[in-house]
Amino acid sequence: QFHLVQSGAEVKKPGASVKVSCKPSGYTFSSYDIGWVRQAPGQGLEWMGRVSTYNGNTNYAQKFQGRVTMTTDTSTTTAFMELRSLRSDDTAVYYCARVDPSPTVTTVDLWGQGTLVTVSS
Amino acid sequence: QSVLTQPPSVSAAPGQKVTISCSGSSSNIGNNYVSWYQQLPGTAPKLLIFDNYKRPSGIPDRFSGSKSGTSATLGITGLQTGDEADYYCGTWDSSLSAYVFGSGTKVIVL
Repeated sequence: QFHLVQSGAEVKKPGASVKVSCKPSGYTFSSYDIGWVRQAPGQGLEWMGRVSTYNGNTNYAQKFQGRVTMTTDTSTTTAFMELRSLRSDDTAVYYCARVDPSPTVTTVDLWGQGTLVTVSS
Repeated sequence: QSVLTQPPSVSAAPGQKVTISCSGSSSNIGNNYVSWYQQLPGTAPKLLIFDNYKRPSGIPDRFSGSKSGTSATLGITGLQTGDEADYYCGTWDSSLSAYVFGSGTKVIVL
């Protein structure tokens, strides 16, 4: 069975940073990219970007450029998403997801359980 | 403001059929594959349809997908109470160089 297991919920103050981890299992880590999607309370899905587990290349949505860093650790087969300068409107559930490695993503076929990040003073 | 437009909600009685539209442009739906995702309350999204019409293993054939031009459609037949969820379309946008999701549609079983 394929799984993506994420780290637990976080509470952060405005201006701080958060780093969420995502550990895939059941398939070869380097065969798929890892994408990150967030969902604010009561809102829809928002694509943040993706990281290649093969070579570490990244592709960030314009909205998050300069504020997000997506990385992988091949020794532990874990992906990470760090978001900096947090604001209250960054409060959301953050999902990691398995993404095909083609230049134009064709689908997101497996999702993590989500990590709730709450930004509050 | 989503790049892909979906109706906020659709509803039907158990056993009936619903369709959900997803409208985009030539930079997204018109030239890329469309997927559909189901999000049950309080859970992560789940892939329902990929490559416009294909179903992953384990997805019943009550769910179907199609694409024409810059629009895509998800159909659900034999509606069940367990189908009450939010449904999202998704595709690559070549102008944005990003994956984009629709605004989401809530399916209500009357």
